[in-house]
Amino acid sequence: GAVVSQHPSRVICKSGTSVKIECRSLDFQATTMFWYRQFPKKSLMLMATSNEGSKATYEQGVEKDKFLINHASLTLSTLTVTSAHPEDSSFYICSASLSQGGNEKLFFGSGTQLSVL
Amino acid sequence: KQEVTQIPAALSVPEGENLVLNCSFTDSAIYNLQWFRQDPGKGLTSLLLIQSSQREQTSGRLNASLDKSSGRSTLYIAASQPGDSATYLCAVFTGTASKLTFGTGTRLQVTL
Repeated sequence: GAVVSQHPSRVICKSGTSVKIECRSLDFQATTMFWYRQFPKKSLMLMATSNEGSKATYEQGVEKDKFLINHASLTLSTLTVTSAHPEDSSFYICSASLSQGGNEKLFFGSGTQLSVL
Repeated sequence: KQEVTQIPAALSVPEGENLVLNCSFTDSAIYNLQWFRQDPGKGLTSLLLIQSSQREQTSGRLNASLDKSSGRSTLYIAASQPGDSATYLCAVFTGTASKLTFGTGTRLQVTL
């Protein structure tokens, strides 16, 4: 099956630094990728939809200047948390969309646990 | 390694029927379990979240149950509607590994 690799799996950083999370579709091209975050004891929430070669579409309440998304190629999307603060500590996960046999399927990365000190 | 399986893979029911989707996981040491729906071309929509200490959660026509010891969860949809047609995914969060593992999904078609 299709594989989505997300890196790093866990990161601890100081407040004020920026953190980049990568999401790669290893054996297929993904024109659309999605980024989610999950707070403790809360459900997974969609942050933004990323389309290759165009600007990401952010969900309401998500700061686009805070969470920079780049989808420069069909196999790579990155999420950069700029000037991270403790409230940005969360679990981030990406998914990539693949059309198969007329059906569209989502394949997920394994997630990134971000801890901002 | 956590493995999450959903049965059936696909389901077609007439409008108005009640239905049950099943999710099973191999490692019962989970932090929580979530049910999502996926519409074509869209990201996931969260439906219900069950913490490991809870037995069930309800939202409208949806009811999700969790039996952690047996590694099972069910999503019950009452009085199904054509708008319920989508792919339903369950996912378990393993706290110690900080990892979210998704099931294989059930594609639901509700016909008129």
